[in-house]
Amino acid sequence: GQNIDQPTEMTATEGAIVQINCTYQTSGFNGLFWYQQHAGEAPTFLSYNVLDGLEEKGRFSSFLSRSKGYSYLLLKELQMKDSASYLCAVRGRDGGFKTIFGAGTRLFVKA
Amino acid sequence: DTEVTQTPKHLVMGMTNKKSLKCEQHMGHRAMYWYKQKAKKPPELMFVYSYEKLSINESVPSRFSPECPNSSLLNLHLHALQPEDSALYLCASSQFPGTGGGSYNEQFFGPGTRLTVL
Repeated sequence: GQNIDQPTEMTATEGAIVQINCTYQTSGFNGLFWYQQHAGEAPTFLSYNVLDGLEEKGRFSSFLSRSKGYSYLLLKELQMKDSASYLCAVRGRDGGFKTIFGAGTRLFVKA
Repeated sequence: DTEVTQTPKHLVMGMTNKKSLKCEQHMGHRAMYWYKQKAKKPPELMFVYSYEKLSINESVPSRFSPECPNSSLLNLHLHALQPEDSALYLCASSQFPGTGGGSYNEQFFGPGTRLTVL
């Protein structure tokens, strides 16, 4: 089966940097996604990692270590609009390939 | 066109009603998904269609019946639902459902249908 763990909530200050961690266990690892979801809205794609290392995209970066079953999402220069849930999702093989979402980390950005 | 559309946005139905949720994408994606999301919970995968064939059914009760009439459309037929089925139903699509890497696996989500079962 697949298992994904991430912190339930985090609070950070506007302009700061925050790191949201995700650990996972899966068979047949085929990629890890980070999605942002504002309350009442659909998830939107942030990043995808399938190889070890850091992927940078503007203020957001995502890191993956497949040997450790570990990823993090790094948000720089936090803005109030970054207050949202951040979902770590892992694509693995359990029968066919499928993507399983973690419970999400609710990030509160304060002034 | 880079979006997934879903209709209706909101749906209220009784336990004896029959209704359908619709999803459409024109990005040429060959994998389409139905997710169910309860408040403050992550999306839960229900069904995956791969090249218009049902490839994954996550042991979903038969009162939910998916249908993929063509590569752009995905329906979810609802019948005899229970109040606990009230949730946000999300449709998503991705370019390919297979093992390819890169952005091919990115799932694009529709805005969802908020379903209330009375």
